Amino acid sequence: ETGVTQTPRHLVMGMTNKKSLKCEQHLGHNAMYWYKQSAKKPLELMFVYNFKEQTENNSVPSRFSPECPNSSHLFLHLHTLQPEDSALYLCASSQGLNYGYTFGSGTRLTVV
Amino acid sequence: ELKVEQNPLFLSMQEGKNYTIYCNYSTTSDRLYWYRQDPGKSLESLFVLLSNGAVKQEGRLMASLDTKARLSTLHITAAVHDLSATYFCAGNSGGGADGLTFGKGTHLIIQP
Repeated sequence: ETGVTQTPRHLVMGMTNKKSLKCEQHLGHNAMYWYKQSAKKPLELMFVYNFKEQTENNSVPSRFSPECPNSSHLFLHLHTLQPEDSALYLCASSQGLNYGYTFGSGTRLTVV
Repeated sequence: ELKVEQNPLFLSMQEGKNYTIYCNYSTTSDRLYWYRQDPGKSLESLFVLLSNGAVKQEGRLMASLDTKARLSTLHITAAVHDLSATYFCAGNSGGGADGLTFGKGTHLIIQP
């Protein structure tokens, strides 16, 4: 375990479903991130939170909705997804850019 | 917008050989990061390079940064099978942005 825990590890959902991904860190980091990793693309930054405040939204469709209730928890709420949204969703946390990120193990999402 | 390019994207090499992975980036990046990802696993931080001329070494891996050339390298010395993985470099565009921009990754296979 890296110190960043993501649940569930695997998720299959229909296009009309609503589900949520959860990320939790107890490393004392103040920044948390969502990334999408698809088979044929580089890792794509989705959202950045610093001290619970969203500081970056990288033109992500509204069917992805992040929530950061405190510095230790980050959620990604999903609704009416498309098959092309199938990917590995990675959460990361950081104590600052001089230290890089600590990544979670990811949630493998399949939209059917 | 920061763009990060790695080459090669695929590399098959024999144990005991030396090789270098190159990471070019398009605009100023305050820092440069290297990560490793094993199949089905998360990303593991290898190096954080903070300034021009920075060089860091861990075992058979050595990373360097030349900010004037906008180039970072990851050098593998006397490769062993356990180093087989996908290696990513990433940069940060600065200006208060916290997110990292990743390259596509170099899929490295080391054969006995």
